[in-house]
Amino acid sequence: DAGVIQSPRHEVTEMGQEVTLRCKPISGHDYLFWYRQTMMQGLELLVYFNNKAVMDDSGMPKDRFSAKMPNASFSTLKIQPSEPRDSAVYFCASTFDRSYGYTFGSGTRLTVV
Amino acid sequence: GNSVTQMEGPVTLSEEAFLTINCTYTATGYPSLFWYVQYPGEGLQLLLKATKADDKGSNKGFEATYRKETTSFHLEKGSVQVSDSAVYFCALSDWGADGLTFGKGTHLIIQP
Repeated sequence: DAGVIQSPRHEVTEMGQEVTLRCKPISGHDYLFWYRQTMMQGLELLVYFNNKAVMDDSGMPKDRFSAKMPNASFSTLKIQPSEPRDSAVYFCASTFDRSYGYTFGSGTRLTVV
Repeated sequence: GNSVTQMEGPVTLSEEAFLTINCTYTATGYPSLFWYVQYPGEGLQLLLKATKADDKGSNKGFEATYRKETTSFHLEKGSVQVSDSAVYFCALSDWGADGLTFGKGTHLIIQP
């Protein structure tokens, strides 16, 4: 199993540009989570899906962030327009059962200049 | 709501020393508890878990026991190595809650 795959690993963009982060969960995992990690805030849950449906996106700034899961093997997190305060590492994680723990991807380090 | 509190560090130890990283939690239900480890430039890896009171999770020489009476899940290792240097996160998953709740992370530095 290749694990949770995220792309790109690094992204540098200018303020105001659109950024799209991608995630492929482990096959058979019905839950998919997007987290953001910063030094100040630690790990924050942005949004999560169950069976491709958004279950909770209360952690996501909805004026500029959007998350989709068009099929069971692919999810995107889009930021438009991007701002310097969005600079962080974004992690995708998946699981088949929340009590068993999650498998995390390697993350996307986003820098907005 | 749910919360996890852990010592933030950095914690600096010499090789072969005994390690304890404290973790306490608050949960509305009966949570599952986890320790994750993050090496520089990498994602979080599940280190060990426990799903009910008095369960002991163990992996790679690390252990943690689910103590419901003290709402704690302290991480221990008898003899640390330089390769254990990383950030360690305590986390809980509560039935009905959304996602894992993480502590702030403890940066562990092991010196040769």
